Amino acid sequence: EDQVTQSPEALRLQEGESSSLNCSYTVSGLRGLFWYRQDPGKGPEFLFTLYSAGEEKEKERLKATLTKKESFLHITAPKPEDSATYLCAVPRDNAGNMLTFGGGTRLMVKP
Amino acid sequence: NAGVTQTPKFQVLKTGQSMTLQCAQDMNHEYMSWYRQDPGMGLRLIHYSVGAGITDQGEVPNGYNVSRSTTEDFPLRLLSAAPSQTSVYFCASSYAGGYEQFFGPGTRLTVL
Repeated sequence: EDQVTQSPEALRLQEGESSSLNCSYTVSGLRGLFWYRQDPGKGPEFLFTLYSAGEEKEKERLKATLTKKESFLHITAPKPEDSATYLCAVPRDNAGNMLTFGGGTRLMVKP
Repeated sequence: NAGVTQTPKFQVLKTGQSMTLQCAQDMNHEYMSWYRQDPGMGLRLIHYSVGAGITDQGEVPNGYNVSRSTTEDFPLRLLSAAPSQTSVYFCASSYAGGYEQFFGPGTRLTVL
């Protein structure tokens, strides 16, 4: 059974303090690794898709990387508006394109 | 485009009551799904549909029922509400050829 584990559960940073979020996964065959951002009271919003080890994607202060066992979401010089819960997910077997999600990392960036 | 819409936004039920959570999308997406989100557990798949008239169970289907008579709508029915169904429910849709899911704003359900 596919498993997705995220760490840490919560992360407090000062504005400008760079850090990384971890997503480790166990799947029978990787068909992609997805990152979403979720603001309080809202639905998740798509950020990135990574398909193969070594692949990297960037968007503003966020960079996602992928190895054979885990993915990292690097946040460079974060701002308070980056505060959100970040979710990673992998496709489920035999379920269309539905996803198995990790528990999420709640990021809080203080000014 | 309104995207994915869900109603109601909040709902309180008593144990044993039934209700339907509504979900609609105007992007002509083939796939639609329902997830529930509980603290520390991420999102878990309840039911999904790959097209009108086709539905299947996800990870946590017990106590829920779905049908899909049109491409646009995918309602979720709670047959006899239980306190364990207290959660935030998200509907999502996507194209058949891609993995990017578009999520609705959620319904916060409390069962007393």
